[in-house]
This record gives sequence, structure tokens and C-alpha cells, in this order.
Amino acid sequence: AQTVTQSQPEMSVQEAETVTLSCTYDTSESDYYLFWYKQPPSRQMILVIRQEAYKQQNATENRFSVNFQKAAKSFSLKISDSQLGDAAMYFCAYRSGGRDDKIIFGKGTRLHILP
Amino acid sequence: NAGVMQNPRHLVRRRGQEARLRCSPMKGHSHVYWYRQLPEEGLKFMVYLQKENIIDESGMPKERFSAEFPKEGPSILRIQQVVRGDSAAYFCASSLRLAGAYEQYFGPGTRLTVT
Repeated sequence: AQTVTQSQPEMSVQEAETVTLSCTYDTSESDYYLFWYKQPPSRQMILVIRQEAYKQQNATENRFSVNFQKAAKSFSLKISDSQLGDAAMYFCAYRSGGRDDKIIFGKGTRLHILP
Repeated sequence: NAGVMQNPRHLVRRRGQEARLRCSPMKGHSHVYWYRQLPEEGLKFMVYLQKENIIDESGMPKERFSAEFPKEGPSILRIQQVVRGDSAAYFCASSLRLAGAYEQYFGPGTRLTVT
């Protein structure tokens, strides 16, 4: 069975600085997708970034980028120029590329932004 | 273009009562997923439905929980005889599930409190 592990329950970063959130996963599949979701206090799940396993190039969305290390099964999220609005829970997630549609989430990392 | 809608947003039930949670998928989406988030945890998959069919219920507790997605109307997650351990946030997601369009879009969640 696939698992997703986030080893940092909480992190803090100074506003305008860069922070990296860690995530490792375990799977025997070769075709899959990885995601980072943001959950602010409103509890709405917001997709931040998505990575297809077959793509070697790391995904980037504005200030958000990932470091996808397929062999090491590592998928970290880097947030550049941190803003107060980035404060939230961040969940790393996995979905199989096959017929199994369910998304498997890590336990999350709570990110605090220090003004 | 309205997103995924869930109601109610907050639901309070006494132990032993029934809880009904509703999810209206995005327009044109015929696939619905239900996830549960316990306090300080990530989301856990419960069930995946297509119109009038349950595709995968591997995450559903065997007793008291049921889900449906009728041909007309919203998807319903029903919890009978609720217990305190059912207190959680319940999220619905929907997708088109066509080739190249597997993205799951999440609703705002229903927070269930059992007293």
C-alpha cells in the first residue's frame, strides 16, 4: 500500500524568506501523481502544485516549486518570498496513475509566517 | 462556474442521531469522492462514486456509514447512530475523470460535531 510521510509537524519562516517542506512517499508503482495542497483556517483544500511522476522536470507555480527525487521517493515543496497569506497547513498527497482514484494524504505540516 | 458545494457547513448531532451530508459536484462532473479529516490529521479516503454506482468504498467503515450519488441531485453521505468518534470534517471532491482531466476539486467541507 502507498504511504505519504511528512516528518515536520510545524515550521516557521520569516516573511520574505524561503522555506522548504519535506515529504517522502512509498509506492511500487511507476505511474503516479504527487500534489501539495494548502489548507488555510477556512479549511478549504487548495491545490498548490502537481507533479506527474513520468516528468523529470520539477513543477513550478509562481513562488512555489518542488524538488522531485523519484529514486529517493522524495517530494519537497519550496516556497520563495514567503507571505503572510502562505500561513496554513500543507499536505503532501499521492494518487495512482492507474484506475485507483483515491488520493492519499500525509499528516500535514503547519506553516507559520513570522512578520 | 460554481465550485463543489457542500451543505451544511456545520452540523451538530447528539449521539445516536443520524447525520446527512450533501455534496453537489462541479457542473458536468459525474465522479464524486468523500474524504474524512480527523482533528490534526490529513484527509482519509472514504468512498468514490459515479452516478448511481459505488466504484470504491474501501475506506468506508463497515457499519453505520453509507453513500449514494443518484441520477438526479447531490451525493449524500449518511451516518447512522453517530458516536463521538464521528466528529470530523468531511470533504467532498469531484472530477470529470476523462483522459487528461483527472483533477479532483474539493468542496469547503462539512464539520460534524457529535455531542
